[in-house]
Amino acid sequence: AQSVTQPDIHITVSEGASLELRCNYSYGATPYLFWYVQSPGQGLQLLLKYFSGDTLVQGIKGFEAEFKRSQSSFNLRKPSVHWSDAAEYFCAVATNQAGTALIFGKGTTLSVSS
Amino acid sequence: IAGITQAPTSQILAAGRRMTLRCTQDMRHNAMYWYRQDLGLGLRLIHYSNTAGTTGKGEVPDGYSVSRANTDDFPLTLASAVPSQTSVYFCASSANSNTEAFFGQGTRLTVV
Repeated sequence: AQSVTQPDIHITVSEGASLELRCNYSYGATPYLFWYVQSPGQGLQLLLKYFSGDTLVQGIKGFEAEFKRSQSSFNLRKPSVHWSDAAEYFCAVATNQAGTALIFGKGTTLSVSS
Repeated sequence: IAGITQAPTSQILAAGRRMTLRCTQDMRHNAMYWYRQDLGLGLRLIHYSNTAGTTGKGEVPDGYSVSRANTDDFPLTLASAVPSQTSVYFCASSANSNTEAFFGQGTRLTVV
């Protein structure tokens, strides 16, 4: 079965600074990878996804993520953080194996300081 | 507007009572999921269904049951609620088990 690890529970970044949120997955074959964002009291919104092809994927709100098979990673990046980016971020992994489902990491809370 | 509808939005439930959380999607998605979200634990999969008529157990299925009689509906039942089931419950659906999931707004359940 697949699994996801987000090593950082909480990160604080200054507004305008760059951001990288880490995500590591465990799965033997090529996974399907996702990043979601959750604002307080809200549901989850998809930021971006990787299925195949170009390992650098662009998402909404200026986010991007890079799939690195050798490191089993799918880190989320943004060159300049805005205060409105403060939220909880979840990495998730799915497979095309029968009997599996979308599995989430424990999340990283992003705080933005002025 | 297409999407996922969860009901109720919130509920306070006495321990030992039976409760069904409702989830309906109108996107004709094959796969549906139930997660619970607890502080520090992220979203944990309770049960899932990859197609109508089939269901599977997730990471934390004990105390919960589901059914998938048709494509659109995926109710989650707590047969006899316990305080540890206090949580925010999210229903989600996806076209298939390996595509992006769309989430409902959640049900905040408090078991007292």
